[in-house]
Amino acid sequence: QITLKESSPTLVKPTQTLTLTCSVSGFSLTAPGVGVGWIRQPPGEALEWLALIYWGGDKRYSPSLKRRLTINRDSSKNQVVLTMTNMDPVDTATYYCAHSRIDTTSGWYILDYWGQGTLVTVSS
Amino acid sequence: DIQMTQSPSTLSASVGDRVTITCRASQSISSWLAWYQQKPGKAPKLLIYKASTLESGVPSRFSGSGSETDFTLTISSLQPDDFATYFCQQYDNYSWTFGQGTKVEFK
Repeated sequence: QITLKESSPTLVKPTQTLTLTCSVSGFSLTAPGVGVGWIRQPPGEALEWLALIYWGGDKRYSPSLKRRLTINRDSSKNQVVLTMTNMDPVDTATYYCAHSRIDTTSGWYILDYWGQGTLVTVSS
Repeated sequence: DIQMTQSPSTLSASVGDRVTITCRASQSISSWLAWYQQKPGKAPKLLIYKASTLESGVPSRFSGSGSETDFTLTISSLQPDDFATYFCQQYDNYSWTFGQGTKVEFK
């Protein structure tokens, strides 16, 4: 059974760096064809993809946020960590991590299992 | 970025209705489109990928169609559990984008 659980501070101040941790179970972060992504959703708004780390260690980032994001993993702890620098009130959102598997017919990855999300508020 | 535009933003329907949601991409994405269902306070659930492939365990009343820029999600007979918000997402390149969502509410 694949499960993911996000953890983070609930409140961060503007200009601070946010560290989000995704703890996973039911799969290996290094299993071929697997990835873990981060997606956020501001209150009442649409989803926004942030970053993805693939089983081989390759990383992809949203072009608009790339300069602020870093994704890493600790396979021994079954965790994926996303850091976002220079936080701003507009970054207030629920942050989700999600398991991604390869769609073998396209070679692209799809998001198939999601965590419950963690709400992060940015305020002084 | 590829922009994804959904319509309508809100849809009022009754149990048993046939419901259709549209998603349009700003450029061709072949068939690399997924649909998700989200209920308040819950994580999104994958319903369909590759425009028309039903994810395992998803009821057959859900179906998807389309290619290139125009896509449709259809619920053949709306059930009480289906009142939720639906999002489309393109995965044609390494910069994934989502539609703004369609809320299906009780008429």
